[in-house]
Amino acid sequence: EIVLTQSPGTLSLSPGERATLSCRASQSVSSSYLAWYQQKPGQAPRLLIYGASSRATGIPDRFSGSGSGTDFTLTISRLEPEDFAVYYCQQYGSSRIFTFGPGTKVDIK
Amino acid sequence: QVQLVQSGAEVKKPGASVKVSCKASGYTFTGYYMHWVRQAPGQGLEWMGWINPNSGGTNYAQKFQGRVTMTRDTSISTAYMELSRLRSDDTAVYYCATSPIGPGGQLIPQFDYWGQGTLVTVSS
Repeated sequence: EIVLTQSPGTLSLSPGERATLSCRASQSVSSSYLAWYQQKPGQAPRLLIYGASSRATGIPDRFSGSGSGTDFTLTISRLEPEDFAVYYCQQYGSSRIFTFGPGTKVDIK
Repeated sequence: QVQLVQSGAEVKKPGASVKVSCKASGYTFTGYYMHWVRQAPGQGLEWMGWINPNSGGTNYAQKFQGRVTMTRDTSISTAYMELSRLRSDDTAVYYCATSPIGPGGQLIPQFDYWGQGTLVTVSS
């Protein structure tokens, strides 16, 4: 089973700053099968990025995804107040199993 | 618009079973896999399995094999997740979520739409 590790655990930034979140896999992951989600307190997760770099419908272009193999990155170019949340990466493997990373919390500095 | 509306909160005793429903609207129910994902209090997301509403075929995470059953009723566009032999560490919010079925019937592995979540509390 592929294990996903996210870093940092918490990222403290100010509105307007750039956020760079990392997701590392224990084995190579197909880029087609890597996604990112945002979750705010008391809400269900929301799909941000699929296929490692494609934005989901309605997601602002300040969100971007990149990476391949075992290293993937979610970048928020300029943080807006509504972007402070927890972010999860997720992969789908050849064993037909989905796994999530432990999450990165982006909070206000 | 796509909506997934889940059943209400449940309180169960250890050893009991719980059945959570997820009613879909705004899309073709048989065109999307339905997954179940849970989140223990203050913790991350854990995928439990999926059901193909078209065929009824299922795939469960190994951790839940033998305890979870996912079913669907296409006549009312509703999916169900039943978890048996509940333990205190099954206390969590349970979400249903969809992923598209590709042209060849393959699973497209992203969770596009989510239900609002159902809190299941297991306590004696």
